[in-house]
Amino acid sequence: KNEVEQSPQNLTAQEGEFITINCSYSVGISALHWLQQHPGGGIVSLFMLSSGKKKHGRLIATINIQEKHSSLHITASHPRDSAVYICAVPMITQGGSEKLVFGKGTKLTVNP
Amino acid sequence: SAVISQKPSRDICQRGTSLTIQCQVDSQVTMMFWYRQQPGQSLTLIATANQGSEATYESGFVIDKFPISRPNLTFSTLTVSNMSPEDSSIYLCSVEDWRGAEQYFGPGTRLTVT
Repeated sequence: KNEVEQSPQNLTAQEGEFITINCSYSVGISALHWLQQHPGGGIVSLFMLSSGKKKHGRLIATINIQEKHSSLHITASHPRDSAVYICAVPMITQGGSEKLVFGKGTKLTVNP
Repeated sequence: SAVISQKPSRDICQRGTSLTIQCQVDSQVTMMFWYRQQPGQSLTLIATANQGSEATYESGFVIDKFPISRPNLTFSTLTVSNMSPEDSSIYLCSVEDWRGAEQYFGPGTRLTVT
């Protein structure tokens, strides 16, 4: 079982639709990251959150620490939102350092 | 924020050869991270590179295969040695801000080994 699981794996939406991507994790964390990966491979950090909710433009991220679950919402989706969305959680390695563990990503396609 | 550049952006290499990927950051950072993303898979940490010390490798990755240099606080290289088709991946470098609160990623190097 993966330590970080995302659903759905693939998501196709029509422009304007409300999008929800989910992330569940099994490792203890201090914060959770949502990342966006463009087709060329480059990754942009969208959010880092440790509790509650954060909003940036049309993007909203929520987290429930007790349930070990986070959601990323996109309101009024647009074709330019088409990308792979990845959640990542920090965990402590055997050596005592902290590293990010990543989900496999959700590929979002928004059609005009 | 930190702006990260990587070279090359992509390459096609022959089996058995080596490729060195460069990562340049526009500000001084303590820790730099190298990740691999194999096709259809999640990102996996290869190693953490601190300036002035040996890189720390994750389980399944060894220095002979992925030697790393970190000569200063703004630059690092990752070499993929004696490549095989299984090394075909996107390789990304990443840094944290000084608080450890934000992660910044380079644009990635898309490697294909034939």
